Amino acid sequence: DAGVIQSPRHEVTEMGQEVTLRCKPISGHDYLFWYRQTMMRGLELLIYFNNNVPIDDSGMPEDRFSAKMPNASFSTLKIQPSEPRDSAVYFCASNSELVGTGELFFGEGSRLTVL
Amino acid sequence: RKEVEQDPGPFNVPEGATVAFNCTYSNSASQSFFWYRQDCRKEPKLLMSVYSSGNEDGRFTAQLNRASQYISLLIRDSKLSDSATYLCVVRGGGSYIPTFGRGTSLIVHP
Repeated sequence: DAGVIQSPRHEVTEMGQEVTLRCKPISGHDYLFWYRQTMMRGLELLIYFNNNVPIDDSGMPEDRFSAKMPNASFSTLKIQPSEPRDSAVYFCASNSELVGTGELFFGEGSRLTVL
Repeated sequence: RKEVEQDPGPFNVPEGATVAFNCTYSNSASQSFFWYRQDCRKEPKLLMSVYSSGNEDGRFTAQLNRASQYISLLIRDSKLSDSATYLCVVRGGGSYIPTFGRGTSLIVHP
């Protein structure tokens, strides 16, 4: 089975532009997480979904960030307007409580640079 | 106090050395513990879960000390390929959310 798939792998954009990051979780996984990683702050949880429903978005930095999960196989993280401080690697991860191990499976990440 | 704390390192050790990392957590009700490995510019991947009785996987040994609220990772006979960042992860205590430490950087040199 394919792992978590993220796109784009790299994005360079200018301040003020809209950025959309995409994630396809592992089939059958009912939890999806969006993380942001920077050197300064490490891995930060932005939001997570259970069965396509947002459960906790307290990590979303501000209103410029929004996330959706319209179905079990797709999620987006949108930043509008983007700012240079949003530059980071954004990871999507999924898992299933039924697996039992609690292991999170990460995508390869989307490296965002905002100029 | 941060929820999960790790010494960022880097730990710089020669091949063949034994190295140990500790990680402390603040929520005494935490139930699940893990070590993840992250290579440079890659995604984190599960290295091993940490069980109450301690567990071993080849050269890697993980232990949990609930009384002092820390977990440890011991790597024996270090290899060059062990160079990576090791992330401590804690979950439970009323939350499904896994909380990651900032990671400990290990550099194994010839």
